[in-house]
Amino acid sequence: EDKVVQSPLSLVVHEGDTVTLNCSYEVTNFRSLLWYKQEKKAPTFLFMLTSSGIEKKSGRLSSILDKKELFSILNITATQTGDSAIYLCAVVVTNAGKSTFGDGTTLTVKP
Amino acid sequence: DADVTQTPRNRITKTGKRIMLECSQTKGHDRMYWYRQDPGLGLRLIYYSFDVKDINKGEISDGYSVSRQAQAKFSLSLESAIPNQTALYFCATSDYLTDTQYFGPGTRLTVL
Repeated sequence: EDKVVQSPLSLVVHEGDTVTLNCSYEVTNFRSLLWYKQEKKAPTFLFMLTSSGIEKKSGRLSSILDKKELFSILNITATQTGDSAIYLCAVVVTNAGKSTFGDGTTLTVKP
Repeated sequence: DADVTQTPRNRITKTGKRIMLECSQTKGHDRMYWYRQDPGLGLRLIYYSFDVKDINKGEISDGYSVSRQAQAKFSLSLESAIPNQTALYFCATSDYLTDTQYFGPGTRLTVL
């Protein structure tokens, strides 16, 4: 059974802090790992990672994948209150086309 | 206009009632998915469909059924709703070239 575990489950920080969110997985036939951000509505896509060691970056957010150790991290620098959300990690396996999601990390950024 | 729409957005019903949640998309994607989200449990896959003739069970399909009426429409039914089906339900789409999924706004269902 495919498994995706995110940690921590929740995190409270202050504006300006840097945070690291973790996603580990145990799947057969890995194809890709995706990060989504969910505010009080539908999840929206952040990054898709398929190769180890290649950082994806968008503004203050960045992510990297380690296919040997089977994990990914999502970094957010200089956090803002608008970063408060649930961050979801999902893994797609080859030939299945469907995603297995972790339980998410709830990030709260206080002013 | 939104690319993925869901109706209704909110629904309160009683135990034993039949409920249908509808999803439509204008993205032209072949693949469609239904998920439920409970607090602290991320998204769990109920059913998914890769084309009109292809329907597959997800990890929590018991108590649910689906219909893929057209490439753009995928509906989820609860034949006899029960209180533990109270949740937020999302429809999503993707195409075969990318694993990125695009989500509808969600339907908040309460079963009393």
